[in-house]
Amino acid sequence: SQQGEEDPQALSIQEGENATMNCSYKTSINNLQWYRQNSGRGLVHLILIRSNEREKHSGRLRVTLDTSKKSSSLLITASRAADTASYFCATASVSYNTDKLIFGTGTRLQVFP
Amino acid sequence: NAGVTQTPKFRVLKTGQSMTLLCAQDMNHEYMYWYRQDPGMGLRLIHYSVGEGTTAKGEVPDGYNVSRLKKQNFLLGLESAAPSQTSVYFCASSRDRVDYGYTFGSGTRLTVV
Repeated sequence: SQQGEEDPQALSIQEGENATMNCSYKTSINNLQWYRQNSGRGLVHLILIRSNEREKHSGRLRVTLDTSKKSSSLLITASRAADTASYFCATASVSYNTDKLIFGTGTRLQVFP
Repeated sequence: NAGVTQTPKFRVLKTGQSMTLLCAQDMNHEYMYWYRQDPGMGLRLIHYSVGEGTTAKGEVPDGYNVSRLKKQNFLLGLESAAPSQTSVYFCASSRDRVDYGYTFGSGTRLTVV
């Protein structure tokens, strides 16, 4: 079963706008990671946030983590057409075997020029 | 370029045929993983390995076997292919458990007819 659930399933915005996608999970975690997948390609690691961190930045990316609500959000600021991709959250859970990540079903982001 | 290489990139099999998917990484990573990706299902873990000579079952292991005879290679075998195994298969590797991001290959698109 999926540990992470992304919301929304699909998102369409104009270039320059901000894109926010959310991830909810079910059990306590060690860390939460976000990945991007361009069409027909493999996943690319974007950012990792540990369970004792609340916010992390990387370039135009901002990730927040609320362990009390078991949720995370990924904000892409000033989006570009090149940001068009699917975005996945993945969790390393203390309840499951922590040798592996469990991925959500993804948010499909379309950025129109 | 350093990374994860998957071969082949595409394959069509007839029901009942067998095949092996090869994953090779040149980053000296201990951990390697095989996922399958199906529409609306996200990524599901098939098998994984925590080091040379080790393998373990993931979420959907039935119908697949794996071997990790050399640290840099992780093979995924289908002994008797079924149409339900039509999917895109991704291999990933990681430096250490789940505290680092995964590096993914570009995928193998398999169709079983």
